[in-house]
Amino acid sequence: SAVISQKPSRDICQRGTSLTIQCQVDSQVTMMFWYRQQPGQSLTLIATANQGSEATYESGFVIDKFPISRPNLTFSTLTVSNMSPEDSSIYLCSVEFQAGETQYFGPGTRLLVL
Amino acid sequence: AQKVTQAQTEISVVEKEDVTLDCVYETRDTTYYLFWYKQPPSGELVFLIRRNSFDEQNEISGRYSWNFQKSTSSFNFTITASQVVDSAVYFCALRVNRDDKIIFGKGTRLHILP
Repeated sequence: SAVISQKPSRDICQRGTSLTIQCQVDSQVTMMFWYRQQPGQSLTLIATANQGSEATYESGFVIDKFPISRPNLTFSTLTVSNMSPEDSSIYLCSVEFQAGETQYFGPGTRLLVL
Repeated sequence: AQKVTQAQTEISVVEKEDVTLDCVYETRDTTYYLFWYKQPPSGELVFLIRRNSFDEQNEISGRYSWNFQKSTSSFNFTITASQVVDSAVYFCALRVNRDDKIIFGKGTRLHILP
């Protein structure tokens, strides 16, 4: 496995603002992903963060709302833009050392939008 | 289509009791992977096990054991002699192909009462 960190661990934000979440891994990984977990719900994949190119978004998620960067093999960011209370969730990044192998998750970022 | 069903939304047992968490999956593919993750109150998702469809051998790891039955499309998880620290939400998940996304069940919230 790997040590995966996320910043911030939690935040309270005002509607209409944006928040950037960072995901750092202590070793190079092939794949990085971003998930959303709404209160009391399961995990929903937002997108696959591709190194050096645009992220691949799942149905229902768009780049304007959730821009993602992945400048190298150990780091990615997810921005939640123009936030509304419906964006209040836990946001988790996950990694795979080899594509299709086990996904390991970061500690998550708890976001509350007022 | 692929689907994971965790019919038990919430379970409460007294410490030291054994408890089994059920997971039923649906897929028409013959090659697939099954996972269990634990999410304690802290929010992080902890990987527990990965099993491929060609390996029906049951697995035991300490107090944890998994029963994979292709005939009933089930991958159940048993905790023996439960402890309060086992209290968490447990997710069962399915991945059909290596480049497909992981599909999570809705999770089972487990309360271990002292």
